[in-house]
Amino acid sequence: NAGVTQTPKFQVLKTGQSMTLQCAQDMNHNSMYWYRQDPGMGLRLIYYSASEGTTDKGEVPNGYNVSRLNKREFSLRLESAAPSQTSVYFCATLTGNYGYTFGSGTRLTVV
Amino acid sequence: GQQLNQSPQSMFIQEGEDVSMNCTSSSIFNTWLWYKQDPGEGPVLLIALYKAGELTSNGRLTAQFGITRKDSFLNISASIPSDVGIYFCAGLSNAGGTSYGKLTFGQGTILTVHP
Repeated sequence: NAGVTQTPKFQVLKTGQSMTLQCAQDMNHNSMYWYRQDPGMGLRLIYYSASEGTTDKGEVPNGYNVSRLNKREFSLRLESAAPSQTSVYFCATLTGNYGYTFGSGTRLTVV
Repeated sequence: GQQLNQSPQSMFIQEGEDVSMNCTSSSIFNTWLWYKQDPGEGPVLLIALYKAGELTSNGRLTAQFGITRKDSFLNISASIPSDVGIYFCAGLSNAGGTSYGKLTFGQGTILTVHP
């Protein structure tokens, strides 16, 4: 998944802890997205950023906040993690003609 | 919100067999895309469709954009072991004119290929 880097790759949190998932792209694209993937539910949009300085809610934003720090970086923050937030999180950037380039994902477990 | 119904949920086939999967929606989409996800990786774009009725091939893969703009299918011919993975359809609607590239994804089809 060249061009989109996510960190960390794995994380275990206790309920109530906070953390920030980092995403950076070196493709100079304007739009960036955070999705979560759960078995049998496909990928669901959490937040997106159409351009630097703007962010908007997606389908499942509750419990999350985002920051578009600059054109390259788009972070996702869990202020108080809950077991329901156990999931695989993907960051993506919009390539031409509506194709996405995805990062390799962050596997988060909340216990 | 918009939903895509993807079927089948999983498939177990023998190497060399052909595979077909499809997505349907109650809403119209202007763009349909098909992605493949390998274990431990993010999805990778396979085929993009931009016009109703469009039929596009990429090697052994063929996909079509339904004429009603509410469905799409993906065929894989002569499957090989490396075809294993999860296949997702995704649709883009320009309703309201400000889609900002937000895709709606199907639930995924898990493909297993037995040598």
